[in-house]
Amino acid sequence: AQSVTQLDSQVPVFEEAPVELRCNYSSSVSVYLFWYVQYPNQGLQLLLKYLSGSTLVKGINGFEAEFNKSQTSFHLRKPSVHISDTAEYFCAVSGYTGRRALTFGSGTRLQVQP
Amino acid sequence: GAGVSQSPSNKVTEKGKDVELRCDPISGHTALYWYRQSLGQGLEFLIYFQGNSAPDKSGLPSDRFSAERTGGSVSTLTIQRTQQEDSAVYLCASSLFAGGNTEAFFGQGTRLTVV
Repeated sequence: AQSVTQLDSQVPVFEEAPVELRCNYSSSVSVYLFWYVQYPNQGLQLLLKYLSGSTLVKGINGFEAEFNKSQTSFHLRKPSVHISDTAEYFCAVSGYTGRRALTFGSGTRLQVQP
Repeated sequence: GAGVSQSPSNKVTEKGKDVELRCDPISGHTALYWYRQSLGQGLEFLIYFQGNSAPDKSGLPSDRFSAERTGGSVSTLTIQRTQQEDSAVYLCASSLFAGGNTEAFFGQGTRLTVV
């Protein structure tokens, strides 16, 4: 079984500041890792994913995440945020074997202030 | 269609009534998922259809919940004898393959309110 922990339910940040959204997971098998974003009144869309290979993955809108196997983390970062980045961000994991459906964290609301 | 389509977008029902929520996945996608998103909470896994294999129903919260996927395409989530705690946004997603490494595409969801 897998689980995902997003410790920060809300992250307020000023425009053009850097941001990090934290994600930790637990799993008894190797996993694939994802970040999804949900803009206000919209559906979820994929931001980036880690499947294998380089532990630093780049996604859309200038976001990137780093997979750290020893710390079982997959933190999301952006060096300079915009007002338009205000959204709910969800970290998710799926297993190589067993349950293939995504297991989501509880989400982090990023609020970018001018 | 161009994306995952869910209907209705909003549903208000009286406690004790049955409801059916529909999901039209992206054409050709073999995997289909249902999730529930409650206010202030993450996405709770409900059920997962993977091609012709038996569905993974391990996330269904009670026997009042059931789902079907006919002909490998359209899926219907049925909630019998609805309760107020069933109020949530129900999200459907589909992916091209059944493997865990493929991107899931989400619909806009059905907002269910039980009064």
